[in-house]
Formats: sequence, structure tokens, C-alpha cells
Amino acid sequence: GEDVEQSLFLSVREGDSSVINCTYTDSSSTYLYWYKQEPGAGLQLLTYIFSNMDMKQDQRLTVLLNKKDKHLSLRIADTQTGDSAIYFCAERRSGGYNKLIFGAGTRLAVHP
Amino acid sequence: GAVVSQHPSWVICKSGTSVKIECRSLDFQATTMFWYRQFPKQSLMLMATSNEGSKATYEQGVEKDKFLINHASLTLSTLTVTSAHPEDSSFYICSARDRKNTEAFFGQGTRLTVV
Repeated sequence: GEDVEQSLFLSVREGDSSVINCTYTDSSSTYLYWYKQEPGAGLQLLTYIFSNMDMKQDQRLTVLLNKKDKHLSLRIADTQTGDSAIYFCAERRSGGYNKLIFGAGTRLAVHP
Repeated sequence: GAVVSQHPSWVICKSGTSVKIECRSLDFQATTMFWYRQFPKQSLMLMATSNEGSKATYEQGVEKDKFLINHASLTLSTLTVTSAHPEDSSFYICSARDRKNTEAFFGQGTRLTVV
């Protein structure tokens, strides 16, 4: 299908790790992205991974890419209340203007 | 990261009027700009893509005569919602990509309410 899919909701305890999963559709996508959106705001780019990489780590964030299964995950270590937001994964489709196709977003709730 | 400024942040207009939303790249040249629409608790739906100096490419199902996009310079793109109706009420977000073509930076969004 055409959709990028994500689970809609995740609840974690403060200090634990969060793992947000995503499946995408286009095996020729060159880049895969994770964005964060806080209420009423635009999107903040958290990190991205090139399609020939398996893993990328950036401070508390770890991105894992399984290209065979078209599966992407974002792990947030030591999750804090400030991490509560909606997280979108996006694939950059090849061809044309290399547009980004977004998943529906995963709402992360961090509780004490 | 690069800064994309979207204006206004919110707007309320009467049904039948037109509304213009601006998207500016402040510290880089945006060769390509994208306009998205987001419904409450839903994902971003790509409406159209524009390249500076060219006509916009609209996604299937998006009325180009209703959502007019102008990308007149490398730092400015505008979206005009013509003859707005209540069903056009939504959150509109632009993003801009520079010549390096790696990242797309997003504006803060515009909440349009048509009454």
C-alpha cells in the first residue's frame, strides 16, 4: 500500500526507554526521518538515517533500520516528561521532488 | 538547523473570503517548498510541491484553483485559500528544502478557522 504505518499511542514511565516503531513502503526511499511535534507547533526534525545504514545514534536517540522488512524504529533512552509529544516517521520517496510521506504519528505520553 | 518562518500563526476568516499564508526560509535558499495540511490528531497530508519559478505540482484530490501556491523567490512561498469554507479549517504547515537536498525544515504552522 501507500501508507507509512505507526502505532498510535505509547505510554512510558519517566526514566525508562521508549521505542517507537514504523513501517514504510518504498524500498527505494533514500532517507527516513523522525520528527517531533508538540501541541499547536510545527515539526522538529529529530534525526534521519540514510537507507544504506543500519543504525544511527545521536545522544539519547537511536534509530534502527531494517531495510529488508522496511521497518524503522526510534529509541529514546531515559525518557523525560519533556519528550511527551507526537512522533512522526517519514520516508523520502525517490523520484520527482523526493517528497516526504508521513505516518499517522505516535503519541508518546511520559508519566512519573 | 535552518529556520523556516510561517505567517500568520493563526487566522480566523469569514466563509467566502480568501486567506494568504506565507512561508519564508530565513537563512537559506529554498529551492523546493512543500505545503501540508493536518487534521486534528492525524498525519500531515501533502498538498503540493513547488519549485522556485515553476508551477506547483499538486497531489491527487487537491484543487489547484482553490489552493493557489506561488513560489516567487528562493525564500518565499505563499498558499492562498480562495473562497474559504468551514471545511477548509485546518492546520497548514510548510516545509522548505535547500539546494543540498538533504533535510526539509518546517514552519511552525498556521491554524486556519473559517466561520
